[in-house]
Amino acid sequence: DAGVIQSPRHEVTEMGQEVTLRCKPISGHDYLFWYRQTMMRGLELLIYFNNNVPIDDSGMPEDRFSAKMPNASFSTLKIQPSEPRDSAVYFCASSRGQGGNQPQHFGDGTRLSIL
Amino acid sequence: AQSVSQHNHHVILSEAASLELGCNYSYGGTVNLFWYVQYPGQHLQLLLKYFSGDPLVKGIKGFEAEFIKSKFSFNLRKPSVQWSDTAEYFCAVIGAVDSNYQLIWGAGTKLIIKP
Repeated sequence: DAGVIQSPRHEVTEMGQEVTLRCKPISGHDYLFWYRQTMMRGLELLIYFNNNVPIDDSGMPEDRFSAKMPNASFSTLKIQPSEPRDSAVYFCASSRGQGGNQPQHFGDGTRLSIL
Repeated sequence: AQSVSQHNHHVILSEAASLELGCNYSYGGTVNLFWYVQYPGQHLQLLLKYFSGDPLVKGIKGFEAEFIKSKFSFNLRKPSVQWSDTAEYFCAVIGAVDSNYQLIWGAGTKLIIKP
């Protein structure tokens, strides 16, 4: 089975530009999570969806960040305008079922560098 | 507030040494517990999980973890490490009946195995 697919794998852009990260969850999974990982702050949950509906976006750092899930097989995380401090690895994860009894499966991540 | 504490940020061992990585959590109710591993430059992968039953859980690659409810601990162990175990290890916890379905992550422990 295909795992969680993220694109692009690497993104380098100048500050002020719009950045769009993409994620395709595992088919049949009804939860989708966006994480950010940095050396300083470790792994942070940004937002998660259940059945395409955003449930908790309290981890989204600023209004510059937005996430959408137009259907069960696709989600985007957008940063506009981007800043150097947004440089990080962004992971998407998905899982199936309610509650905490199903592990999350992670994508390979997008390594984002804002110059 | 729920939290997860991983006591050691960095651990350096020689090959064939025994490993124990500490994980303590604070949560008042029944929990589900996970250990994830992140090899250099890769995504997080599930190593093992505990939901209920035997508190000694066996995972992939010879890892095991023991849930000690009275100590709020879920330490990861391996009797003999290999160079390929060099990675970062994350402990994560979620309330078993948590309607928010948000994993609480530890800060991670970087494990370096000297050949």
